[in-house]
Parts: sequence; structure tokens; C-alpha cells
Amino acid sequence: TQLLEQSPQFLSIQEGENLTVYCNSSSVFSSLQWYRQEPGEGPVLLVTVVTGGEVKKLKRLTFQFGDARKDSSLHITAAQPGDTGLYLCAGEGTSGSRLTFGEGTQLTVNP
Amino acid sequence: GAGVSQSPSNKVTEKGKDVELRCDPISGHTALYWYRQSLGQGLEFLIYFQGNSAPDKSGLPSDRFSAERTGGSVSTLTIQRTQQEDSAVYLCASAFRQGGSRAFFGQGTRLTVV
Repeated sequence: TQLLEQSPQFLSIQEGENLTVYCNSSSVFSSLQWYRQEPGEGPVLLVTVVTGGEVKKLKRLTFQFGDARKDSSLHITAAQPGDTGLYLCAGEGTSGSRLTFGEGTQLTVNP
Repeated sequence: GAGVSQSPSNKVTEKGKDVELRCDPISGHTALYWYRQSLGQGLEFLIYFQGNSAPDKSGLPSDRFSAERTGGSVSTLTIQRTQQEDSAVYLCASAFRQGGSRAFFGQGTRLTVV
């Protein structure tokens, strides 16, 4: 069974601060996805990274896939209250098996 | 439909009763997932269907839980003899079976066992 560990589990910061969320595993993934979930909704895909070392930017969000494709990070610059939500990483195994989700990071950005 | 549809959106049931939760995936998606989410927590994997392959049932917490996917489309998650600890949001997702395939989630069914 492939496991993904996310850290921190909870994060509460002030508007304007920067933060990084980590997603780590001992397994290699063919791709890794980041989702964001707001209360009362299902998770929505933010980005997919496929190549080791890949960096993708989505406005103030920067996603990186580790060189060995075992880990990933999400960095948010100048966080805003609208960034509040549950951030989930999900890996797809090299065998093409099901998505494995991390436990999630609950981010709260205070005005 | 345009997205993944789950019904009912809310379900309140008495302890010991059976419940059925329905998921209509996006047309053409061969992969279908069921997850459970307690308040403020992450996703707990329950079961995964992929095409005509045998489903991955490794996440089902007990034999009271079962799921079917008829005709490679609609799926039903059944919980027998519900317990209070079954109270949670049950999320369904579907995806194309390709590398890096994105999962599209429904809005979930909030189950409350009283």
C-alpha cells in the first residue's frame, strides 16, 4: 500500500504570510495531484505534476515535484483569506493503480 | 450530466437501519472511487472500481459496507445496520483511466446516524 504523509496537518496564519505544505512518501508516483476542498464541497483539482523536478505556478501558488517523484510541496505566497481550505495531495502509482490521498492540510488564513 | 452527481445530499437514519448512497459518475469515466470524510478530516479510501476489473475493496471498514457498480456507470454504496460512527460525508469521484487522470468529485452525501 502506498502512503502519502502531509505536513503540517493544521496551519493557521495571518493574511500576507507565506507558507509551505509538504507531501512525502517512500513510494514513487507516476504523477502527483494537488486538490483544494472548501466546506460543503468536494475537492477540486489545482494542478498535476508528472516529471521529477517539475515546478508549476498557479498565480501565488507554486507546486514542486521531487526529483525522485516521491514527494511534493505547495508554497503559497502572500496568503489571503480566500486561500482557506483543506489542501490534499494525491499520488498515482507507477502501476497505474488508484489515487492515494494524503490526510490533508487544513489551512486557515486570518484577515 | 456535466459532473459527478450524488444522492441524497443529506441522509438521517436511525441506528441499525440500512442505507444506500448513489453516485452517478461523469459519462465515459472508467474509474470510480468512494471516500469517507469525517468533519475537518482528510479522505478515507473505501473502494475503487476500474473498468471491468475486480474492485479494490481494501478500504471498506467492515463487512457492513458494500458497493456495486452496475454497467460500468452508476454506483451504490450500501451500509447495513448503521452505527453512529458511520456518520460522515461520503464522497464519490470518477476519472478517466489514464496516467495523471484527474478525479472529479461529487458534493457528497452527509450521513447522520442517530
